[in-house]
Amino acid sequence: GESVGLHLPTLSVQEGDNSIINCAYSNSASDYFIWYKQESGKGPQFIIDIRSNMDKRQGQRVTVLLNKTVKHLSLQIAATQPGDSAVYFCAENIEEDTGRRALTFGSGTRLQVQP
Amino acid sequence: GAVVSQHPSWVICKSGTSVKIECRSLDFQATTMFWYRQFPKQSLMLMATSNEGSKATYEQGVEKDKFLINHASLTLSTLTVTSAHPEDSSFYICSARTGADGYTFGSGTRLTVV
Repeated sequence: GESVGLHLPTLSVQEGDNSIINCAYSNSASDYFIWYKQESGKGPQFIIDIRSNMDKRQGQRVTVLLNKTVKHLSLQIAATQPGDSAVYFCAENIEEDTGRRALTFGSGTRLQVQP
Repeated sequence: GAVVSQHPSWVICKSGTSVKIECRSLDFQATTMFWYRQFPKQSLMLMATSNEGSKATYEQGVEKDKFLINHASLTLSTLTVTSAHPEDSSFYICSARTGADGYTFGSGTRLTVV
């Protein structure tokens, strides 16, 4: 099930099940989104990305869905494995009036895979 | 692929001293690099955008005199935490832009101020 911890919500799933991690983004002008996986003590690792002119993109065992109407992003992981246990962040990329582009990260979800 | 090397991976320093963290792009030139800070169980917060040959752009609430950023070459950006205090203890992560929308992250630096 899903629970809210002190700062990071946690999603616990059984090995082999599918996982769905959700993210609400803040800026309707964001045009590019990325999902990252972060293991303890390491930097973020790219998983999959999607542009705002798409609503779905598939990778190997992962699918990202984008709903611009409600500013919602989801990451689906098929056949979740113990090695998928990590914290997952969505990030949105926006170009400011100054022309500067930078990534802003969402709050993150900890995925725990039970063997 | 594009690789960003960040050093040191961890550092312990005494309160009041300064610490320098390096971020290098190994096989590409990075005109723009970014510095993030991450407290335990929290997300990455953008501190500043580092542009080669010009002053860094700091996010609101980040003290530019405390967190000095230098991006003097196309492959190196440094973050110096000056007069560090225990509340500066955090995980600092750099990233480099590799294209219009490509970003590669370093492995992070765990700073502990005692």
